[in-house]
Amino acid sequence: NAGVTQTPKFQVLKTGQSMTLQCAQDMNHNSMYWYRQDPGMGLRLIYYSASEGTTDKGEVPNGYNVSRLNKREFSLRLESAAPSQTSVYFCASSAGTSGAFETQYFGPGTRLLVL
Amino acid sequence: DQQVKQNSPSLSVQEGRISILNCDYTNSMFDYFLWYKKYPAEGPTFLISISSIKDKNEDGRFTVFLNKSAKHLSLHIVPSQPGDSAVYFCAASSGGYQKVTFGIGTKLQVIP
Repeated sequence: NAGVTQTPKFQVLKTGQSMTLQCAQDMNHNSMYWYRQDPGMGLRLIYYSASEGTTDKGEVPNGYNVSRLNKREFSLRLESAAPSQTSVYFCASSAGTSGAFETQYFGPGTRLLVL
Repeated sequence: DQQVKQNSPSLSVQEGRISILNCDYTNSMFDYFLWYKKYPAEGPTFLISISSIKDKNEDGRFTVFLNKSAKHLSLHIVPSQPGDSAVYFCAASSGGYQKVTFGIGTKLQVIP
């Protein structure tokens, strides 16, 4: 049982380059999330998807786009990377069917460095 | 403005003793609180949670206490084990499952 998987594990980009972070879960969860973690700060929500076909902005969505490709996969795209997007990115999922808060299951993270 | 504060960046405890990790919050609308544990190079994993209708929740060696009037919660680990060495995040929600506010974490070191 893999849980939540993320690719790549580490990436270096130059300013202005684009890339897509991939996330997949095998727990048949409805909700998926993208967070970023920066030094001295807690995890901050970038985007979430409450169900297949829907996405919504979180706390820090600027500079990012997301796609809920199907129930399993939720990708995060940086169209034009900036040094301020250097961070560790975590994908998470939860069973989330009723809107009440549920435990989130996290992937191992993607460490992104933008030069 | 940090709505969830973990004021101790690190904590060292001897094996077998009690570890107490603290968390304060400012938003009175928070009604659900969680603790996550994170090892290096891994994602956070859920540890224990508590609803605002309770003041204590226990799961094995882990107990979370909630003091709503003080807007304070704490995680007690008894007895502490070396495998508990990790970063612990406090998190809070106001009911919408899509929005959780995390603290910056406390690094716990349990010394054998």
